[in-house]
Amino acid sequence: DVKVTQSSRYLVKRTGEKVFLECVQDMDHENMFWYRQDPGLGLRLIYFSYDVKMKEKGDIPEGYSVSREKKERFSLILESASTNQTSMYLCASSHAGQGNYGYTFGSGTRLTVV
Amino acid sequence: GDSVTQMEGPVTLSEEAFLTINCTYTATGYPSLFWYVQYPGEGLQLLLKATKADDKGSNKGFEATYRKETTSFHLEKGSVQVSDSAVYFCALSDRGSGNTGKLIFGQGTTLQVKP
Repeated sequence: DVKVTQSSRYLVKRTGEKVFLECVQDMDHENMFWYRQDPGLGLRLIYFSYDVKMKEKGDIPEGYSVSREKKERFSLILESASTNQTSMYLCASSHAGQGNYGYTFGSGTRLTVV
Repeated sequence: GDSVTQMEGPVTLSEEAFLTINCTYTATGYPSLFWYVQYPGEGLQLLLKATKADDKGSNKGFEATYRKETTSFHLEKGSVQVSDSAVYFCALSDRGSGNTGKLIFGQGTTLQVKP
């Protein structure tokens, strides 16, 4: 069964910590995405990558960075976690092309920063 | 820019009721349209999609028709079940956006079905 796997379902971190959220896909997808989901705000795109070592900023990149050293893995990094980064984080992947395929999502990581 | 607008929720229905969740879009190109569903505590799952005008996507009793003239992609189901309780997201992918396949999502509509 093809899938996107996020390393943790629940995570609690302290303010100021450096946090790594990992995402791995086994579908040989070119594109990978990180979103955060907050009540009343829907899904907001943080960063995306359309190739190894390539990345582009989404709508809310401030306070985040990403790494894509291998095609199957896309990491989201919170350089210095803050309480306003408490959220549900969703990773997704898709084939390259002109958008007919849609995304496959991971199950999400619920991050709490205390 | 491109955008998706969904009806605000929550939508509360009794079991076996008819469901409509409205979705309209604005896009400069010729988008593909999607409905995703998110069950409590889970990520999003693709429910159905349509890639060109007048296409009808369907899955698990849900349907949506791509209406270019009204720029709409409303989700319908004839008889909802308690297990359909979830958040539903409408999304589009602009084919003119090049190779990224990036989706634009609506805000999501929460559906609660009561027995």
